[in-house]
Amino acid sequence: EAQVTQNPRYLITVTGKKLTVTCSQNMNHEYMSWYRQDPGLGLRQIYYSMNVEVTDKGDVPEGYKVSRKEKRNFPLILESPSPNQTSLYFCASGASGSTDTQYFGPGTRLTVL
Amino acid sequence: QKEVEQDPGPLSVPEGAIVSLNCTYSNSAFQYFMWYRQYSRKGPELLMYTYSSGNKEDGRFTAQVDKSSKYISLFIRDSQPSDSATYLCAMSASGTYKYIFGTGTRLKVLA
Repeated sequence: EAQVTQNPRYLITVTGKKLTVTCSQNMNHEYMSWYRQDPGLGLRQIYYSMNVEVTDKGDVPEGYKVSRKEKRNFPLILESPSPNQTSLYFCASGASGSTDTQYFGPGTRLTVL
Repeated sequence: QKEVEQDPGPLSVPEGAIVSLNCTYSNSAFQYFMWYRQYSRKGPELLMYTYSSGNKEDGRFTAQVDKSSKYISLFIRDSQPSDSATYLCAMSASGTYKYIFGTGTRLKVLA
C-alpha cells in the first residue's frame, strides 16, 4: 500500500530535550515536506526537499532541522524544543515535476512542556 | 494581511445542498491552486487541482479559479454527510515547491 508513515504519532516532551520525528514514504517520491498545523493558522510549511541532499526552507523553519540522506526518509529534528513548537506535524511527499499532488502522513501530535 | 484568506466556518448545511467554499489570495505569482479535504484526526488528502484560471469538474466537485479577482472556489453538489470535514485551499507559484495553505473551513452536512 502506497503511504507516508510518521513516528511517533504522539509525543510529550520537555523543553530542551532533543527529539526526532521520522517520516518515510514508499512511493519513490523525490519531493518531501514537513508542515505544522495550528488552530487559526492552518498548515504552514517548515522545510521541504526536492531530492536526496537537497533541502530548502519553508515559511516557518526556525527551531527545526531536516536531513535527506535517503530518498524514502525525511526526519524532522528539534534540537531544543520549546513550548511554542507544540503542534500537529504532517509529513508529505510528491512526485518531482508534479506540483499538484502531495500525499500526507497521519500526523504527529507533539506537546512540549 | 495573510497571503491566503479562508473563512474558518463552521458551515452547516442540510444533506443535498450545494456548498460553496472560497479562498482569496494576495500573491499574483500563484499559478497552482489545490483543494484538500481533511477528516478529523487524519492528514489532508487532495480533492481538486487547477492550474491558472478556469474551472475543473470531478464528479460532485467543481473548482473555479478567477485570477483577476484573486479568488478561488470549491463547489460541492448534492452534499452528503460523508462530506463533513475541513476543507483547505492551497496555492503555489510556478517553479517553486513552497505551498501556502488557507486556515481551512469546517463543513458539517446534516442528514
